Parts: sequence; C-alpha cells; structure tokens
Amino acid sequence: LAKTTQPISMDSYEGQEVNITCSHNNIATNDYITWYQQFPSQGPRFIIQGYKTKVTNEVASLFIPADRKSSTLSLPRVSLSDTAVYYCLVGDYHSGAGSYQLTFGKGTKLSVIP
Amino acid sequence: DTAVSQTPKYLVTQMGNDKSIKCEQNLGHDTMYWYKQDSKKFLKIMFSYNNKELIINETVPNRFSPKSPDKAHLNLHINSLELGDSAVYFCASSQGDGRRLEAFFGQGTRLTVV
Repeated sequence: LAKTTQPISMDSYEGQEVNITCSHNNIATNDYITWYQQFPSQGPRFIIQGYKTKVTNEVASLFIPADRKSSTLSLPRVSLSDTAVYYCLVGDYHSGAGSYQLTFGKGTKLSVIP
Repeated sequence: DTAVSQTPKYLVTQMGNDKSIKCEQNLGHDTMYWYKQDSKKFLKIMFSYNNKELIINETVPNRFSPKSPDKAHLNLHINSLELGDSAVYFCASSQGDGRRLEAFFGQGTRLTVV
C-alpha cells in the first residue's frame, strides 16, 4: 500500500510559483512530512519538513492542512536550476528495528521551462 | 568537508565478479543506509544499519551484504555480479530513530555490469 501519492511530472515556466501536492491518507499521529529534492546524478537532498500548519525556509514552503492527509510543497519563482525530482516522505516505522525507514515513492519530476 | 562520501564514483565490472563500494560519514550519525536507484529512477532501500540492528529489505538478494567496521562506515559488498545489478547506489546516514526522516546522502556510485 503506497504511503504517499504525488503527480508523476509537472512543467512550469521560469519565474512562476510551483505547488506540488502529496497525498498521505494513512499518515500516523507521530509522523512528520518531509520533502527531498534530487538533481540528476546526485543523491537526494533534504529541503523541508513539517508536522502541521505552515513551514517556510530559504528554499520552499510547506503547507499542511489540519487533517494532515495531504501536504503541498511550494517553490516560489522557480528557475531552471529547480528542475529536479521532488519526493514526499512520511514515516515508515519498522517495528522490528524500532526505527523509521526513509521510503521513497516515485516522486514528481519538475521541469522548468525558459 | 563532505558529510557522506562514497567510493568509487563509477565502477565498471564484468558479470560474476565481486566488488565493494565504500561509504563514510563524518556527521556522527548512528544509522546508515544503502539505496539502489535503477534505470527507472526508483529509489529503493536495501539496508539500514545502526549499532543495534541490521534491517534488510527482503527483496535484496543475499549476494549483497553490508559490512560496518565502525559507526562511521558502512560498506556494500556484492558477490557474483549480474547485469541487473547495474544501477546507482547511494549511501545515506541519519541520527536517532529516524522519525524526523532527515538523512544525508552521498553522491552515489554508478555501477555498470558488462
């Protein structure tokens, strides 16, 4: 059973705001929502994390509604260098180990067009 | 200083050979991971390991084995390489039980089996 669902791909023009929504209907009470960015030929990079409401950092904003069953990553005024795959993760608790696994879904491939 | 470093960056080898990929982290983290990213760009966890527990993804063939000489290193040994093992392998590390899902990834090792 997929823990998160995101669009497979999105296109945007430079300078626009991009919103990527992730569904996580079965999120557990203690789970954080975390987003990673992966450029071609590089490892994934943590970009933002939240538990509820809104979180903002120098890279992005993360909006989480009260029911926490979805979240939206917002990238302001994207540039060509924001072309990457964006992954939404929620907790995948492994009871045997007593720890959480970072389980990646298929991600959203964002293409920024000049 | 590179937080998570992998060597080599590229590895080309023949079927049937045995090879190793090294990973080192200087973040003081207590959990390390190996991921495989195939040609379709799916990131799949292979192992997670801390000083208490090795968690193996049940789909990983037993030709793959992690070796951890100390807390800062988690090497990946692969025996009897097959064509299907060609992929990019990423090492990562995190702190604590991983609930915050914040991990640091290496730059990856592109393995090509010919």
